[in-house]
Amino acid sequence: AQKITQTQPGMFVQEKEAVTLDCTYDTSDPSYGLFWYKQPSSGEMIFLIYQGSYDQQNATEGRYSLNFQKARKSANLVISASQLGDSAMYFCAMREGLRTSYDKVIFGPGTSLSVIP
Amino acid sequence: SAVISQKPSRDICQRGTSLTIQCQVDSQVTMMFWYRQQPGQSLTLIATANQGSEATYESGFVIDKFPISRPNLTFSTLTVSNMSPEDSSIYLCSVARIKGETQYFGPGTRLLVL
Repeated sequence: AQKITQTQPGMFVQEKEAVTLDCTYDTSDPSYGLFWYKQPSSGEMIFLIYQGSYDQQNATEGRYSLNFQKARKSANLVISASQLGDSAMYFCAMREGLRTSYDKVIFGPGTSLSVIP
Repeated sequence: SAVISQKPSRDICQRGTSLTIQCQVDSQVTMMFWYRQQPGQSLTLIATANQGSEATYESGFVIDKFPISRPNLTFSTLTVSNMSPEDSSIYLCSVARIKGETQYFGPGTRLLVL
């Protein structure tokens, strides 16, 4: 069964607008971490933001924030004030604590974001 | 975060040959990983590179096809052996300073097998 689901294969957003990229996950491990990575066309994977399962507050990093809804098992990425350079693939990922001792990261299928001028 | 470099950045190879990809980190890290990203797909973990011992391979990946070395805490190599067109992918090295920390990725190696 797929552990990370990203239901939006492609998204468009107007420059300077905010956009939400969806991510749902499946785990029975009480201890886990959630990540978002950005992959531009160059191919590199850029770490954006992290949320731990026990963190009380939603993570924020500059224009990126993570809308963490634990009961719903969702970890949506919000990008505020979109810029042309935000056009890229975005991957949601999860690492389970007890089951794999935090060793293995599982990636979702990704969402392609295009920012329109 | 660590500065990670990979060589080569890209290559075009003939089927049946082998290619060794290098991953160099500018500081000592405990954890090093190798991932494959097939065209249009997400990332799949190939193996965890262990210093001084055999790598830990994920299901579907074997040492004969993807031998890995890790001689120290800053360097690792992945060899793609006896290549076929199905091996055409981006191969990415990632590192974590200590176990349980965020993984950071190298720039990747784009491999095309003809």
